[in-house]
Amino acid sequence: GQQLNQSPQSMFIQEGEDVSMNCTSSSIFNTWLWYKQDPGEGPVLLIALYKAGELTSNGRLTAQFGITRKDSFLNISASIPSDVGIYFCAGQVYQAGTALIFGKGTTLSVSS
Amino acid sequence: GAVVSQHPSWVICKSGTSVKIECRSLDFQATTMFWYRQFPKQSLMLMATSNEGSKATYEQGVEKDKFLINHASLTLSTLTVTSAHPEDSSFYICSARARTGGDQPQHFGDGTRLSIL
Repeated sequence: GQQLNQSPQSMFIQEGEDVSMNCTSSSIFNTWLWYKQDPGEGPVLLIALYKAGELTSNGRLTAQFGITRKDSFLNISASIPSDVGIYFCAGQVYQAGTALIFGKGTTLSVSS
Repeated sequence: GAVVSQHPSWVICKSGTSVKIECRSLDFQATTMFWYRQFPKQSLMLMATSNEGSKATYEQGVEKDKFLINHASLTLSTLTVTSAHPEDSSFYICSARARTGGDQPQHFGDGTRLSIL
């Protein structure tokens, strides 16, 4: 089945630093999504990407849908302590009722 | 917009008890809802896809008689863990996608932490 490789698995950074994480797949996706999950809560959608090459920003977050449709990256600029959490990429081959395929997550720790 | 409410948020019960978890889309209609299970420090594992008015589609290895799913309306899906045992203890999360046309992202509930004693 389809799998997503998300890296890095974890990151420890200083407040103010920029962060980059990415996901790759052996299969093509129609949609790439990035979620953030805080402990004990459900994932919250950060950015949704629908077109190959699309570059989308949401505040300090920027994500891109790779041209090959097999990869995506998420950048966080000028990190702050509340950026701490687990970031998941998710891909979808769009058909009615199709579920998401999730990466294994990137755990981000920010020290002030 | 796109709020998904999940209830209860935490359940502790004795082994052998059946537990029902509700997932509601509060401000949109969802033809399809999804149920996931998440173990500590792991990613979300899809259990089943719930379609309004029809039977759920279960992933390989998920017992449909153990995890009963009902999607009776466009805003509510329920997951019932029947005769729960300690190994069923986990974090269960639902998601819903709006029924409007085109690509729509999934929005997640806040999860239900199930602890079976």
